[in-house]
Amino acid sequence: AQSVAQPEDQVNVAEGNPLTVKCTYSVSGNPYLFWYVQYPNRGLQFLLKYITGDNLVKGSYGFEAEFNKSQTSFHLKKPSALVSDSALYFCAVRVSNAGNNRKLIWGLGTSLAVNP
Amino acid sequence: NAGVTQTPKFRILKIGQSMTLQCTQDMNHNYMYWYRQDPGMGLKLIYYSVGAGITDKGEVPNGYNVSRSTTEDFPLRLELAAPSQTSVYFCASSGTAYEQYFGPGTRLTVT
Repeated sequence: AQSVAQPEDQVNVAEGNPLTVKCTYSVSGNPYLFWYVQYPNRGLQFLLKYITGDNLVKGSYGFEAEFNKSQTSFHLKKPSALVSDSALYFCAVRVSNAGNNRKLIWGLGTSLAVNP
Repeated sequence: NAGVTQTPKFRILKIGQSMTLQCTQDMNHNYMYWYRQDPGMGLKLIYYSVGAGITDKGEVPNGYNVSRSTTEDFPLRLELAAPSQTSVYFCASSGTAYEQYFGPGTRLTVT
């Protein structure tokens, strides 16, 4: 079955330290992978995607993610966390054999808290 | 561009009432989606559309209906509201790229 897992419900990191939010996936074929951020009482905002090409993808607000095919992972990273990065982060993967519909499978989200 | 807009922002319904959640996008996207978000449950796809006149069910369609008469609009209809439909509802759209763009959400309470 196709799935996305975010193994940590919550990640705590001190401001200025590097952060990692983990995501693993299970789909057939080549994965299309996405990260989104949700601030309180807001809609989801697209951060970055991997479809093909370099395994290290750079996105908005200084975030990047590394695609690792052998480990079926797509971890989100940032070299130096800011308090304003505190939010809920979602990983998603395009459904294989989605045909024309572009449906995504979503992880349950990871709450990131950056402490001053 | 306004992107994806949703109305209303908040609504309280009594059990058995009906309502329509409005969604409009101005990016000329063919693909549109309705999700509900419940605490700790992530996003669940209710309905989606690949273009005007074409809609299909997602994971949790029961109790909802949609229509897509234009590219821009994708309203979600709740018939006979139930407490289980208390949730935050998000509309999203996507174009030739695969990422989806989300509206600000509608917070619905059914009592």
